[in-house]
Amino acid sequence: GPKVLQIPSHQIIDMGQMVTLNCDPVSNHLYFYWYKQILGQQMEFLVNFYNGKVMEKSKLFKDQFSVERPDGSYFTLKIQPTALEDSAVYFCASSSRSAETLYFGSGTRLTVL
Amino acid sequence: GDSVTQTEGLVTLTEGLPVMLNCTYQTIYSNPFLFWYVHYLNESPRLLLKSSTDNKRTEHQGFHATLHKSSSSFHLQKSSAQLSDSALYYCALSAERGSALGRLHFGAGTQLIVIP
Repeated sequence: GPKVLQIPSHQIIDMGQMVTLNCDPVSNHLYFYWYKQILGQQMEFLVNFYNGKVMEKSKLFKDQFSVERPDGSYFTLKIQPTALEDSAVYFCASSSRSAETLYFGSGTRLTVL
Repeated sequence: GDSVTQTEGLVTLTEGLPVMLNCTYQTIYSNPFLFWYVHYLNESPRLLLKSSTDNKRTEHQGFHATLHKSSSSFHLQKSSAQLSDSALYYCALSAERGSALGRLHFGAGTQLIVIP
């Protein structure tokens, strides 16, 4: 089936550094999402993105977070600067239409030291 | 706010026995959409089932679920568990199609382990 690729699968960085998580969504999908899952907790919505704009974000989407998809390439989540509480698995997802089937990547495990 | 509750964190079953994973939800919206996602180890979460209209059963790959608005439930069932069903199962809610733009509220997940 359709695949969403996330790069890298693991990332370890020091607190205060910048990190960019990359997502290659399903081709021809128009809606993109980031979800965050802290170890042992449920996946929580961070943000969705459509037509070059953030459509909706949760309270977890702090000012230090930003998303973009320059020129139809990777859909990225940037955290600058990182904090200890940003340690989690970040899942990217895409869909062809809003609220339709979301296709998830396998996640990027971010560890902030 | 919108939320999903999965009461069992871990379910261990013997192969061949029926599966039932509980999912209840809360939302102010009158037409929610419910989903079951399955997450196998080292893979991506993928959609297993999505709800249809109220009280209508939806089926896929031997699993089935029925949205019951009266009880705010969307329990996942299967008549006979297989070893390959061992995975993490998430119930998720989309409060209102279109306006919610695909924002899903996930439950905490139920780890299903099927033993021989």
